[in-house]
Amino acid sequence: SQQGEEDPQALSIQEGENATMNCSYKTSINNLQWYRQNSGRGLVHLILIRSNEREKHSGRLRVTLDTSKKSSSLLITASRAADTASYFCATAPQGGSTLGRLYFGRGTQLTVWP
Amino acid sequence: DGGITQSPKYLFRKEGQNVTLSCEQNLNHDAMYWYRQDPGQGLRLIYYSQIVNDFQKGDIAEGYSVSREKKESFPLTVTSAQKNPTAFYLCASNIGTGANVLTFGAGSRLTVL
Repeated sequence: SQQGEEDPQALSIQEGENATMNCSYKTSINNLQWYRQNSGRGLVHLILIRSNEREKHSGRLRVTLDTSKKSSSLLITASRAADTASYFCATAPQGGSTLGRLYFGRGTQLTVWP
Repeated sequence: DGGITQSPKYLFRKEGQNVTLSCEQNLNHDAMYWYRQDPGQGLRLIYYSQIVNDFQKGDIAEGYSVSREKKESFPLTVTSAQKNPTAFYLCASNIGTGANVLTFGAGSRLTVL
């Protein structure tokens, strides 16, 4: 399977703590993306990191990519109750279509308690 | 506001019936996609279309059909041949070139009674 796999499957923390989610994948990629999904809703794109990048920041989000280990991590700093959602990594494989063919993992369910 | 509209949000179907899920976008995106999501699972690609009047099967196309007669519209028909149709269906689109970031609709939940 080309899917990414997130770890842990579920994460429960208190407001103000940091949340770290990991993603592992199997094939070479062009880029890796993280999406968020609130319960019963569509996914929302959070951040994209290209294969030649190692780290990227966006607000309270920090993404790292280690292509030698085929893994990525998403860090949410100073979590808020509103961050409660499922988080998915999605990979765009190298050599495949550049027209949006992404492979999604099963997601990490993050719960942030007030 | 630009976006993707999926309808209906909830749909109930009896076994043996076909049902069509609507997906409309006003983003002027060339490429459109249908994903299926089951509880605790990732998204699996059903069909995708890179241009009007053309579409390709994804990983789980059996029991589904699509059409792409207009750039804005990409309806999905769940046929009676689909063995386990109860799921959450997500439509997405992107500009068709570049970094392939997807914009998603709010989803349609299909329940077979």
